[in-house]
Amino acid sequence: DQQVKQNSPSLSVQEGRISILNCDYTNSMFDYFLWYKKYPAEGPTFLISISSIKDKNEDGRFTVFLNKSAKHLSLHIVPSQPGDSAVYFCAAPSAGNKLTFGGGTRVLVKP
Amino acid sequence: DTGVSQDPRHKITKRGQNVTFRCDPISEHNRLYWYRQTLGQGPEFLTYFQNEAQLEKSRLLSDRFSAERPKGSFSTLEIQRTEQGDSAMYLCASSLGRRSSYEQYFGPGTRLTVT
Repeated sequence: DQQVKQNSPSLSVQEGRISILNCDYTNSMFDYFLWYKKYPAEGPTFLISISSIKDKNEDGRFTVFLNKSAKHLSLHIVPSQPGDSAVYFCAAPSAGNKLTFGGGTRVLVKP
Repeated sequence: DTGVSQDPRHKITKRGQNVTFRCDPISEHNRLYWYRQTLGQGPEFLTYFQNEAQLEKSRLLSDRFSAERPKGSFSTLEIQRTEQGDSAMYLCASSLGRRSSYEQYFGPGTRLTVT
């Protein structure tokens, strides 16, 4: 069973516009969420996280929003830049801090 | 470079052969994780170590898979009698292992192709 889902496999956006990536989860025990970014031939790199005690966390151009009642989080990238073109994964830690990942969303930022 | 390193980066092997991958974590990190990623999917947890102790193994880790972290530093992942379904990217990650520290640092991965 997929406990973390990213229903949009790809997203194309114009440079300078907003990218919105969505993630849904089913396990109500999850209380922390992370977003990772992955370029081809590289491992995932940590981008931003949010604790369930917050509903928003911002870091520069990246903002993550959490809606606990809907079991939904989103990542906003404003403004989008060509270097943001990558695959983005949302993830949640469980016992042992092992991460459960969504399937990823491939973002393409067009110049 | 003090990040997580993995060796080899690519491995092509014939079905039935054994392969071994190595991961060197960030030196002060006491937790080490192995994940597997197939095309179009997110990474899936395989196993993790706290220092030299292997604390959890996923049901994805069949008896053909074995992992070690003999001195609590580097780790190896061995696959015996490889099958075509083992073709994937094998990712290693490390972390401080503190209760409030969830961030894991990933290596570049080893891409395995079984022919």
